[in-house]
Amino acid sequence: DAGITQSPRYKITETGRQVTLMCHQTWSHSYMFWYRQDLGHGLRLIYYSAAADITDKGEVPDGYVVSRSKTENFPLTLESATRSQTSVYFCASLLTGPTTGELFFGEGSRLTVL
Amino acid sequence: AQSVTQLGSHVSVSEGALVLLRCNYSSSVPPYLFWYVQYPNQGLQLLLKYTSAATLVKGINGFEAEFKKSETSFHLTKPSAHMSDAAEYFCAVSEGRDDKIIFGKGTRLHILP
Repeated sequence: DAGITQSPRYKITETGRQVTLMCHQTWSHSYMFWYRQDLGHGLRLIYYSAAADITDKGEVPDGYVVSRSKTENFPLTLESATRSQTSVYFCASLLTGPTTGELFFGEGSRLTVL
Repeated sequence: AQSVTQLGSHVSVSEGALVLLRCNYSSSVPPYLFWYVQYPNQGLQLLLKYTSAATLVKGINGFEAEFKKSETSFHLTKPSAHMSDAAEYFCAVSEGRDDKIIFGKGTRLHILP
């Protein structure tokens, strides 16, 4: 089915482990984003990408790494997970620029770091 | 850098009453503004957007928002609340000169029977 899918939907890991959250979209949208959602903080932008091989830091990039070798994929890696990274992570895509387009969100990946 | 402030993390209204969710923005250039809604255990979906055309913007489900530059506001309204409107609402801003879309902290709307 067309859309934006995130995996895994739920993940429990331990402090210090590496975790990768996957995001795949079937629309060939140029832009992709990673947000984290935390109570009291709303959605905060982690990283975004305007096209394949182009990525930029958002509001809270520390502790995260992204790559975008293919237009349709935008994985988010926590190189050494910390408890403060326990959150719900949302991937989103956008066909055109942020001034005119509509963000399409995945269903979220709930990550717990013990 | 652009930012938005949503006043009130929780708002309760009676069914049939006016809904008013407040959003103020900060931007060094003319902003592009958005309202998104999130239903429980789902991702966000766009309600409406302001992109410098009409200052009064109509969205889905009977919602509308008015851009007021003098007040740096983009408040969301609906004349008559319905139980199905219970959700979390996020205001967001983009300056356009970079590719960021920045969200506010959200307002959870409760509808009282």
